[in-house]
Amino acid sequence: QKEVEQNSGPLSVPEGAIASLNCTYSDRVSQSFFWYRQYSGKSPELIMSIYSNGDKEDGRFTAQLNKASQYVSLLIRDSQPSDSATYLCAVRPTGGYNKLIFGAGTRLAVHP
Amino acid sequence: GAVVSQHPSRVICKSGTSVKIECRSLDFQATTMFWYRQFPKKSLMLMATSNEGSKATYEQGVEKDKFLINHASLTLSTLTVTSAHPEDSSFYICSASGTSGDQETQYFGPGTRLLVL
Repeated sequence: QKEVEQNSGPLSVPEGAIASLNCTYSDRVSQSFFWYRQYSGKSPELIMSIYSNGDKEDGRFTAQLNKASQYVSLLIRDSQPSDSATYLCAVRPTGGYNKLIFGAGTRLAVHP
Repeated sequence: GAVVSQHPSRVICKSGTSVKIECRSLDFQATTMFWYRQFPKKSLMLMATSNEGSKATYEQGVEKDKFLINHASLTLSTLTVTSAHPEDSSFYICSASGTSGDQETQYFGPGTRLLVL
């Protein structure tokens, strides 16, 4: 079983719609979760982190965490073509050095 | 804040030569730096984790004698690909965590694209 799983997509949504990206993880005691965006040919950039159950909002982005279900999601409201990218879910497992386990990423395509 | 740079951004070298890639945290102290490689349309693969002043911790399957990592200061880590071969061609990305924001977040450099002929 992969440690962090994401649907590879592509997830296609029309401009202005809500894009919902999902991620599940296997390490039940993980405490830290991150969403990164990666444009083609570029390195990942941090969108947001979440540590507590519930929702965390930042502009058009909302991260949702449910530790009991081992599930973290990212909602993008009012999706724009510029949001088209691969979204990487990352989980910090228990243990040292703050290393992250990344999912394979979900490719999002926002069409006008 | 939390800017990480990498140099060079792109390098082409001949098979058998060594290539050094630098990763710098520009506005914070990076107590931990990470090196990843990424093949086209694949996810990030962590190669190693380095703490300032300590030996790097390599992930399983990564040859430490081929990928030499040095984390000599709180703002600089280097990755040297020794005796490079065409199969080492990849996108190498570093990240850093430390005194910027929450100390768990990793901030990524722009990456170095290596092509070995």
